[in-house]
Amino acid sequence: DADVTQTPRNRITKTGKRIMLECSQTKGHDRMYWYRQDPGLGLRLIYYSFDVKDINKGEISDGYSVSRQAQAKFSLSLESAIPNQTALYFCATSDPARGAGVRGTQYFGPGTRLTVL
Amino acid sequence: GQQVMQIPQYQHVQEGEDFTTYCNSSTTLSNIQWYKQRPGGHPVFLIQLVKSGEVKKQKRLTFQFGEAKKNSSLHITATQTTDVGTYFCAGVTGGGNKLTFGTGTQLKVEL
Repeated sequence: DADVTQTPRNRITKTGKRIMLECSQTKGHDRMYWYRQDPGLGLRLIYYSFDVKDINKGEISDGYSVSRQAQAKFSLSLESAIPNQTALYFCATSDPARGAGVRGTQYFGPGTRLTVL
Repeated sequence: GQQVMQIPQYQHVQEGEDFTTYCNSSTTLSNIQWYKQRPGGHPVFLIQLVKSGEVKKQKRLTFQFGEAKKNSSLHITATQTTDVGTYFCAGVTGGGNKLTFGTGTQLKVEL
C-alpha cells in the first residue's frame, strides 16, 4: 500500500551493528505495528503502538526496540544485530474501527529485507 | 498465548483445480481476517468474518467461520495463475485490535 512506506527496502549488515528500520504512513491511522516474517512461521508481532505515547511489546520483542516519533512515524531498532534476526520486516497500520468498516484491518508497507551476516 | 495454525503449509495445484486452506485457533476468536501475499509482495486484506457460521464469497473465493469461532477456511474454486501467493488467516480475540497471524499456506498454480 503506497500510503505506508518503509526504508530501507533492503539492508545487509554485520553481526553486532546497530540498525534502524523506518516506517512512515499517510493514512492518518493511530495504530502502528512491526512484524517479522520467516518462512513457515507466518507473521509475528514485534511491537505495536496505539498512539504516540503508547508502546507495547509483541510476542517476539527481545533484541528489538521501537520509537514512535509522531503519529505518522514508527521506527524499529536492532541494537546489536545477530544472524537469526535475518528476516523480512513489515510495518503495518490500522484504524480502530469507524462506523461500519472492518475492525482492525491492517495495511502493510512493502517490507524491508534484512540480512545479518 | 494464542496460537493460530494453518494447513497445509504448501499446496501445488493444476490450473482449474480447487484449493482449500484451513485455519485453527487455540482460543475463541471475536473475528477472523484473511490476507493474501503475492510473491515478493506484502500482505493485503481480503475479508473479515465476524459471526459464528458466517460464509462470505468473493467471486471464486469462499470464506467460512466455524460455529465455535475457533476455525475458518478459504476455498478457491477453479484456481487461476493469478491466485498464486501465500494466504494468511489472522484472528482477533476479545475487544483487541491486535491480530495473531496464522502460519500461512503457500499456493502454487501450474498451467
